[in-house]
Amino acid sequence: NAGVMQNPRHLVRRRGQEARLRCSPMKGHSHVYWYRQLPEEGLKFMVYLQKENIIDESGMPKERFSAEFPKEGPSILRIQQVVRGDSAAYFCASSPLRAGGADEQFFGPGTRLTVL
Amino acid sequence: GNSVTQMEGPVTLSEEAFLTINCTYTATGYPSLFWYVQYPGEGLQLLLKATKADDKGSNKGFEATYRKETTSFHLEKGSVQVSDSAVYFCALSRRDYKLSFGAGTTVTVRA
Repeated sequence: NAGVMQNPRHLVRRRGQEARLRCSPMKGHSHVYWYRQLPEEGLKFMVYLQKENIIDESGMPKERFSAEFPKEGPSILRIQQVVRGDSAAYFCASSPLRAGGADEQFFGPGTRLTVL
Repeated sequence: GNSVTQMEGPVTLSEEAFLTINCTYTATGYPSLFWYVQYPGEGLQLLLKATKADDKGSNKGFEATYRKETTSFHLEKGSVQVSDSAVYFCALSRRDYKLSFGAGTTVTVRA
């Protein structure tokens, strides 16, 4: 039973480039959550998606960031024109139903983005 | 808003030593409280939780008690092993899908 998969595990981008982070939820899970951990801070909620729908993007920066979870394939977190402040660890979690507490979300190992 | 503050690391201990990681929170109402652990190269795993005041969560020898009067949820283990080396995160939830995490504490246990 594979867990939540994220790739790449490490991503280096230069300022102005695009970053694409992928998340494959656990088998049978149709709800995906993205969190960001800035240096020296805790993980912060960014966005909650179901297949083909964005349910809650209240934690997502208004510009340059977007997320999708298509009918087929992984969820993608896309950051356009990256800046140094985007350097962080990005974690994805999934659940079989809409999560109502921490034990219902299963986390991936994270993607560490470094912007040069 | 909701926030979690936990003890800064890194923490280095010898095997069989006593471990405490402090965690305090700020939230309205009665949040649920959690400890997550992240072993090297893996995702975060739920270690234990407590959903109301005075509840004690426990798992794998770790314990934490929900203290409303001090808004704390300190993690303790009486005798650590090398295999407990990991990053530990304190978190809270207002009973929805949005989790609020502390910054994490890196624990290294030496043989």
